[in-house]
Amino acid sequence: SQQGEEDPQALSIQEGENATMNCSYKTSINNLQWYRQNSGRGLVHLILIRSNEREKHSGRLRVTLDTSKKSSSLLITASRAADTASYFCATDENTGNQFYFGTGTSLTVIP
Amino acid sequence: DAGVIQSPRHEVTEMGQEVTLRCKPISGHNSLFWYRQTMMRGLELLIYFNNNVPIDDSGMPEDRFSAKMPNASFSTLKIQPSEPRDSAVYFCASSPLAGVTDTQYFGPGTRLTVL
Repeated sequence: SQQGEEDPQALSIQEGENATMNCSYKTSINNLQWYRQNSGRGLVHLILIRSNEREKHSGRLRVTLDTSKKSSSLLITASRAADTASYFCATDENTGNQFYFGTGTSLTVIP
Repeated sequence: DAGVIQSPRHEVTEMGQEVTLRCKPISGHNSLFWYRQTMMRGLELLIYFNNNVPIDDSGMPEDRFSAKMPNASFSTLKIQPSEPRDSAVYFCASSPLAGVTDTQYFGPGTRLTVL
C-alpha cells in the first residue's frame, strides 16, 4: 500500500532541543502533509508540502521533501513540553484525494 | 466555525448491537472522510465522499460497515452487528476541496468499545 512509514517510532528529548522525524513512502505523490495528534484528540494539520517544493517553514517547524528518495523530514526547533504528541505524515497518490497516513512518531519532550 | 463535530464521543455497546456514529463536517467543505484508529493498525481510511457521493469504500472492512451522507452537513457510519474487534477510535474529517488532496480537518473522534 501507499502507507508511509515514520522513523523513529518513538523519540524522547529535553526541552529546548531539536526533534527530527522522518517519513518514507512508496509511490509518486502530489503532496505530503504532516499532522500532530495529542493524546485522546483528533489530528491537527501542521504543514503541507507539494511535490515540486523541497523545503517549507512554519514557525518552529521545517519540512523537507526529497522526491528522488521518496522521503520527508519534519524538524521541530527549540522544542517545548507542549510539543509532546504523535506526529504523522500523510501522502496521496497521483489520483484521487484520499491520504494514507503513516504509523506515526511518538515525541516526548521532557521539561 | 465549530469545526468537525462527532457524536457520540464515547460509545460502549455489547457484541451484536447496532452502532451508529455521526459526523457534521465543516460548513462549505466538499469532502468527508471516515477513519478508524487502533494501536495495531494505526489510522485507516474507511471511506470518503466527494460532494455527498461515496468515492472509495475499499477500506470498509466488512459488509457489517456502512456509511451514508444524505446531505452536505451530515454523515453516518453504521456497524451492524458490532463485534469486539470493532473497538477503536473512529474519526471523521472534512476537506474544503473535492477531487484534489487538501488539508483535512479532523473531528475529536468517537471512542467505541464493543464488549
